[in-house]
Amino acid sequence: QVTLKESGPVLVKPTETLTLTCTVSGFSLSNARMGVSWIRQPPGKALEWLAHIFSNDEKSYSTSLKSRLTISKDTSKSQVVLTMTNMDPVDTATYYCARLTRGFGGRYYYMDVWGKGTTVTVSS
Amino acid sequence: EIVLTQSPGTLSLSPGERATLSCRASQSVSSSYLAWYQQKPGQAPRLLIYGASSRATGIPDRFSGSGSGTDFTLTISRLEPEDFAVYYCQQYGSSAFTFGPGTKVDIK
Repeated sequence: QVTLKESGPVLVKPTETLTLTCTVSGFSLSNARMGVSWIRQPPGKALEWLAHIFSNDEKSYSTSLKSRLTISKDTSKSQVVLTMTNMDPVDTATYYCARLTRGFGGRYYYMDVWGKGTTVTVSS
Repeated sequence: EIVLTQSPGTLSLSPGERATLSCRASQSVSSSYLAWYQQKPGQAPRLLIYGASSRATGIPDRFSGSGSGTDFTLTISRLEPEDFAVYYCQQYGSSAFTFGPGTKVDIK
C-alpha cells in the first residue's frame, strides 16, 4: 500500500523558515518513474503546485515561489523535505505531498497518491 | 506559464443527472499532461483522470475525460451522491504544473 505522510510545525511566525517533511512508504524514491510533489491549498481556495523532485534529483519549482523554496530528498529515509523561507500570513494553508508518477518516456505526469495534508498557520 | 480556467464555477445538479465540466488552457496543452482531480471537504484530492481521458485505478466508468489543445471536458454520466465535490483540472508543461480554480458540483 502506497502512503505519504506530511509532518512539520502547525504554527510559524512571519519571516521564519518552514520545513516540511514527507515520509513515503510502499514505493521507493529511487524509482525512476516516481517522484514527489508538494502542493498547498489556502483555506477555501484552490490547489497550488509548489515543487517536485525525482529520483535522479531532477527538481522543479513554482515560478512565483522559486526564490523561497528548496526541495530535497533522503532516499534511505524515504523522505522528501520542502523548505520555504520568509513565511508570511498569506502562506497559511494546508500543505500536501503527493506521489508524482510519469509514464515511460515521460508520456504522462500525474499525482496519483496524496497525503492527508498538514495545516500550517503563519501568525505572530 | 499556462493558465487554466474552469467553468462553471458552480454546477447545481440532482443525483442521476449528467455533469459536464470545462477546463480551458491559455495555450495548447499536451493531452498526455492533462489530469482531473476530485476533492471533498476536509479530504485530499483524488486523481480521477490522467492523459486527458484515462481513468485512474478504481475510478468508476461514469467518469470520463475528453478534449485536446486548449479545451478539455470532464463528464460524469450519472451523478451519484458521493460525486458532489470540487473538481480541479491540472496541466504539466515546461517542467511545471498548474491547477485550475475548480468547479464545485453541488446538490440542487
